[in-house]
Amino acid sequence: KQEVTQIPAALSVPEGENLVLNCSFTDSAIYNLQWFRQDPGKGLTSLLLIQSSQREQTSGRLNASLDKSSGRSTLYIAASQPGDSATYLCAVKRNNDMRFGAGTRLTVKP
Amino acid sequence: DTGVSQDPRHKITKRGQNVTFRCDPISEHNRLYWYRQTLGQGPEFLTYFQNEAQLEKSRLLSDRFSAERPKGSFSTLEIQRTEQGDSAMYLCASSLRQGIPEAFFGQGTRLTVV
Repeated sequence: KQEVTQIPAALSVPEGENLVLNCSFTDSAIYNLQWFRQDPGKGLTSLLLIQSSQREQTSGRLNASLDKSSGRSTLYIAASQPGDSATYLCAVKRNNDMRFGAGTRLTVKP
Repeated sequence: DTGVSQDPRHKITKRGQNVTFRCDPISEHNRLYWYRQTLGQGPEFLTYFQNEAQLEKSRLLSDRFSAERPKGSFSTLEIQRTEQGDSAMYLCASSLRQGIPEAFFGQGTRLTVV
């Protein structure tokens, strides 16, 4: 059974810092890995999708990497802003469902 | 708005009542998923449709839950005889079968059973 773990569970940083969020998974036979952002009481917003054959994806200040063999992904956020405050979730897909971690709750202080 | 749409956004119901939620996926997406999320946890998979066919159901989907996707367009999730443990955010997502399989989520339906 696929288990997805996100560390840390919560993170608080001052504005402007670069930061890394971690995601690990137990079964490396995945189709893809997707990072999402969730604001309180809202749905999920897709940030980046990494297919199993890819090593990384970039979008603006975000960079996500994937190491399937070690079962790890990282989400790097450059020059953090207060508007980045949210919960970040990673999800791995195999077969027809995505398995999610519990998320990292990020607070960026002005 | 061309994103995934869910209705209602909030639902408060008494224990034992039936509720139904609707999801309208992105129009060209043939895959549709339902998830449930409780506070502080990641979403948990409930069921999956490809076009109108329900291809997979989680063990979380008890016999009080039923989902449909007539004509492969919108989907409904019905919960019969609601229990307090059903209180959660119910999320719908859609994606393409071919091409880039990026999943897009709706804003969710927050269910509170009192």
